[in-house]
Amino acid sequence: QVQLQESGPGLVKPSQTLSLTCAVSGGSISSGGYSWSWIRQPPGKGLEWIAYMYFSGSTYYNPSLKSRVTMSVDTSKNQFSLKLSSVTAADTAVYYCARFGYNYVADYWGQGTLVTVSS
Amino acid sequence: QSVLTQPPSVSAAPGQKVTISCSGSGSNIGNNDVSWYQQLPGTAPKLLIYENNKRPSGIPDRFSGSKSGTSATLGITGLQTGDEADYYCGTWDNSLSAVVFGGGTKLTVL
Repeated sequence: QVQLQESGPGLVKPSQTLSLTCAVSGGSISSGGYSWSWIRQPPGKGLEWIAYMYFSGSTYYNPSLKSRVTMSVDTSKNQFSLKLSSVTAADTAVYYCARFGYNYVADYWGQGTLVTVSS
Repeated sequence: QSVLTQPPSVSAAPGQKVTISCSGSGSNIGNNDVSWYQQLPGTAPKLLIYENNKRPSGIPDRFSGSKSGTSATLGITGLQTGDEADYYCGTWDNSLSAVVFGGGTKLTVL
């Protein structure tokens, strides 16, 4: 059973960079056929896809966030990371990491971590 | 405003059936498979339906999915109070080059 666990600061100041890590257990991040993703959910609102990447390093970003987002993978630690720069209050959300299977199906999700952007 | 349109809320009595619609366009639902997710209060979303009408292992057959043209539908029969949750549809959008979700539908089991 694949499990994902997000970690990172729960509070980030405006204009700074939000950094999160997702640790994967129960399966290898290098497994073929899967990609690894970040999705967020502002309080009381719907889901917004941020980015996904393959263990090879190929990354795909939501065009609306592309200028501020960077994803990376560390296969030796079986984890992947997200960096979102120049954050504002609008970036306050629960951030989920998830595994994408075929056809962008998010079949496994982390429990989510709330990141608040505030001074 | 979400690319995929869902009704904000639906409700039905225990034991009854409910359907949740997800409307899109040719650049998303019209040419790509749809997934459905259930988000119980305070928890992460959970995959309910994939490739329009397939259920992952462990999902009861009370849950079903269908797609026609640029719309998809989630059906839930034999409603239980434990089904009260937010439901989201999702797919790929070829024009946006992005994974897109519906705005979510809150199911209330009266």
